[in-house]
Amino acid sequence: DAGVIQSPRHEVTEMGQEVTLRCKPISGHNSLFWYRQTMMRGLELLIYFNNNVPIDDSGMPEDRFSAKMPNASFSTLKIQPSEPRDSAVYFCASSQQGGDYGYTFGSGTRLTVV
Amino acid sequence: AQSVTQPDIHITVSEGASLELRCNYSYGATPYLFWYVQSPGQGLQLLLKYFSGDTLVQGIKGFEAEFKRSQSSFNLRKPSVHWSDAAEYFCAVVEPNSGYALNFGKGTSLLVTP
Repeated sequence: DAGVIQSPRHEVTEMGQEVTLRCKPISGHNSLFWYRQTMMRGLELLIYFNNNVPIDDSGMPEDRFSAKMPNASFSTLKIQPSEPRDSAVYFCASSQQGGDYGYTFGSGTRLTVV
Repeated sequence: AQSVTQPDIHITVSEGASLELRCNYSYGATPYLFWYVQSPGQGLQLLLKYFSGDTLVQGIKGFEAEFKRSQSSFNLRKPSVHWSDAAEYFCAVVEPNSGYALNFGKGTSLLVTP
């Protein structure tokens, strides 16, 4: 298995632009998580899905952030419009709920908003 | 409030010396407990996890952790540190009855000196 695949690895964008981060979870995993990592706040859970349904989005910082999971093999995190304070590393992780809690993380997307 | 605390932000050890990284949690019930490692520019890799049973858990790369209910702790140990162990270490918990997402501590940065 190729693991959790995130794209792009790096994204540099100007303030006000729309940014879309992508994630392909491990095949067979039915839960997907988006985390944000910053120096100040550490690793924060933004949202998680179970069987493609959003379960908890209380960590999504503002309405500028949205996430979708149209099918079991793909999810997006969108920021519109982006702001410099959104600069962070965004991680996607997947797991099999009810299994061994084997969360697998992607390599992350480093977002820089200038 | 529910929390995961890693009291040490930075730790420096000499190569070959023993290591202990501290983790304390504050939850109503005993959560599931995890340790992850993150090398620079990389995603998070699971070192070990504890759900129940034997309180001493063996993980990958020669790491182990001990769950102590009376102290609400889950400290990570390694008897002899290698230079390649230099990384960021995160303790994380899942509260089984209140959700399914990992809640991370702030992390401990490990520096290994020759």
